Amino acid sequence: NAGVMQNPRHLVRRRGQEARLRCSPMKGHSHVYWYRQLPEEGLKFMVYLQKENIIDESGMPKERFSAEFPKEGPSILRIQQVVRGDSAAYFCASSPRGTESSNYGYTFGSGTRLTVV
Amino acid sequence: QQQVKQSPQSLIVQKGGISIINCAYENTAFDYFPWYQQFPGKGPALLIAIRPDVSEKKEGRFTISFNKSAKQFSLHIMDSQPGDSATYFCAASIRTGNNRKLIWGLGTSLAVNP
Repeated sequence: NAGVMQNPRHLVRRRGQEARLRCSPMKGHSHVYWYRQLPEEGLKFMVYLQKENIIDESGMPKERFSAEFPKEGPSILRIQQVVRGDSAAYFCASSPRGTESSNYGYTFGSGTRLTVV
Repeated sequence: QQQVKQSPQSLIVQKGGISIINCAYENTAFDYFPWYQQFPGKGPALLIAIRPDVSEKKEGRFTISFNKSAKQFSLHIMDSQPGDSATYFCAASIRTGNNRKLIWGLGTSLAVNP
């Protein structure tokens, strides 16, 4: 029973390139959350998705960032034309149910550390 | 009003001592308060959680104390061990429309000296 799988673990991109971060939720989990963590800071919510639906993207920057969770395959966080300020750890979490679960705790992946050079 | 304020930012404790991390909130609509533990290079992992109708919850060496009237809650780690050295985040869960959102504290970096 694998946990939340994120890949790659480390990603280096030059300014202006695209970054694609992948997240496979735990088996049976249909809710995915993306968070960004800057050094010495807490986690900042970015987006909450269910299969084929974006439920809450209030934490996503308006430009260059997008996320999807297709019917088949992992959830993808895509950052276009990366800048140095995008360097951070990006964590994905999944849960079996969103609002009705009695356990509101999420299961996190180990993150993708993006470095923009 | 949706903030969760966490203190201290960093904490150094001797082995065997008690580590105490505090969090405060304003919004009384929060109805679930989890604590997460994060080791370097790993994602946060749920450690222990409490609902506001309970004043204390204990799991092993970890205890949450909850003061609903003061809108504060704290994590106590008894008999702290070097293996407890990690970053600890408090959070608060709130229903927003048809969804739920976790609001996070900024974290406390705990170092337990051997």
